[in-house]
Amino acid sequence: DQQVKQNSPSLSVQEGRISILNCDYTNSMFDYFLWYKKYPAEGPTFLISISSIKDKNEDGRFTVFLNKSAKHLSLHIVPSQPGDSAVYFCAASPNYGGSQGNLIFGKGTKLSVKP
Amino acid sequence: DAGVIQSPRHEVTEMGQEVTLRCKPISGHDYLFWYRQTMMRGLELLIYFNNNVPIDDSGMPEDRFSAKMPNASFSTLKIQPSEPRDSAVYFCASSSPGQVNTEAFFGQGTRLTVV
Repeated sequence: DQQVKQNSPSLSVQEGRISILNCDYTNSMFDYFLWYKKYPAEGPTFLISISSIKDKNEDGRFTVFLNKSAKHLSLHIVPSQPGDSAVYFCAASPNYGGSQGNLIFGKGTKLSVKP
Repeated sequence: DAGVIQSPRHEVTEMGQEVTLRCKPISGHDYLFWYRQTMMRGLELLIYFNNNVPIDDSGMPEDRFSAKMPNASFSTLKIQPSEPRDSAVYFCASSSPGQVNTEAFFGQGTRLTVV
């Protein structure tokens, strides 16, 4: 039973437009959420995170929104660029700071940004 | 820092053979994780260590899988005997608590093919 779900396996967006990647979780004990980006033949790299005490975190073109009541988070990329084409993983952790615990990953969404 | 280093990058082996995957975490990180990525299940946590001690190995699929961390700078994941269904990309990651975020840093992965 997946605790972190990314229901869209793929997404195609035109360059310059907004990309919205969605993620749902089931465990209310999760209080820290991360997005990772993965290019082919490379390991995932950290992109942006948000703690459960916030509902928005922004870093340049990337913004993550958290809706705790709906157990839903989303990653917005605007404007989208061809270099953003990659697989995006949503991850959740029951711990913030301190003891690491572990990250529970979704299956990923493959984003394709077309020129 | 060179980041998390995994070896080999690719491994092709015959069913029944022993396979050993290696990982060198980032210096100073005291958490080490082994993940497996497959199309069906995405990124799954197999086992993680804190200060060289295994904390949670509930993700290890079978007794054929074992992992060790003899010191702070080296870990191995061994599969004996290997089976075709073990074919996947295996990632090692490390992290250090006490930072503002709890992101894990991933290696480039080992692509294992069991024929």
